[in-house]
Amino acid sequence: QSALTQPPSASGSPGQSVTISCTGTSNDVGGYNYVSWYQQQPGKAPAVIIYEVSKRPSGVPDRFSGSKSGNTAYLTVSGLQTEDEADYYCSSFAGNNRWGVFGTGTEVTVL
Amino acid sequence: QLQLQESGPGLVKPSETLSLTCTVSGASISSGGHYWAWVRQAPGVGLDWIAFVAYTGSTYYNPSLQSRVTMSVDTSRNRFSLRLSSVTAADTAVYYCASLRRVAAGVTSHFDFWGPGTLVTVSS
Repeated sequence: QSALTQPPSASGSPGQSVTISCTGTSNDVGGYNYVSWYQQQPGKAPAVIIYEVSKRPSGVPDRFSGSKSGNTAYLTVSGLQTEDEADYYCSSFAGNNRWGVFGTGTEVTVL
Repeated sequence: QLQLQESGPGLVKPSETLSLTCTVSGASISSGGHYWAWVRQAPGVGLDWIAFVAYTGSTYYNPSLQSRVTMSVDTSRNRFSLRLSSVTAADTAVYYCASLRRVAAGVTSHFDFWGPGTLVTVSS
């Protein structure tokens, strides 16, 4: 089951923005608006920060935003803060038989 | 707010069966708005869908694990379980249980709540 492709790492200075891509196919990211993003701090369980491409759960700062174009989804973190240092994973519904797939993960560093 | 907690052995011998249970609190597992899922993460590696189950007992398995995975749900105890047979060292991972928001039959949106995870090591 092929994972969605994310860059291994991304970085930015405090206050800057960073955008992470998540590339799949028409059978997952491109075919459904059920893309979600998760933040995972070291030693902790992942936590959802974006769902259904661009929706934010209550309590998630509006510095986090999501979008999609074709088979690629994007997570943008604006106004980077030191607490944003974490691993970020995308996920997508993948239809009958595959059901779901995660991205390869991106480690975000705040310089 | 939903809370989930994994339980089960932290060490399993090769070729044996891994068994984990997830106890749900804060909501009924029969509410219908969620599926109940297992996700794992091998050391230093990314996340991997394993399977999910409806409160009715309908199951959905990752095709790559389907031959070895069984999920079940116990609505009377508000918990669900995972069994993974014929384990090898490659199955060593932190196993998370999570609630998976249901959109329609077999269609899911996102994992909205997670357990803290439990490390399962496969070793003799």
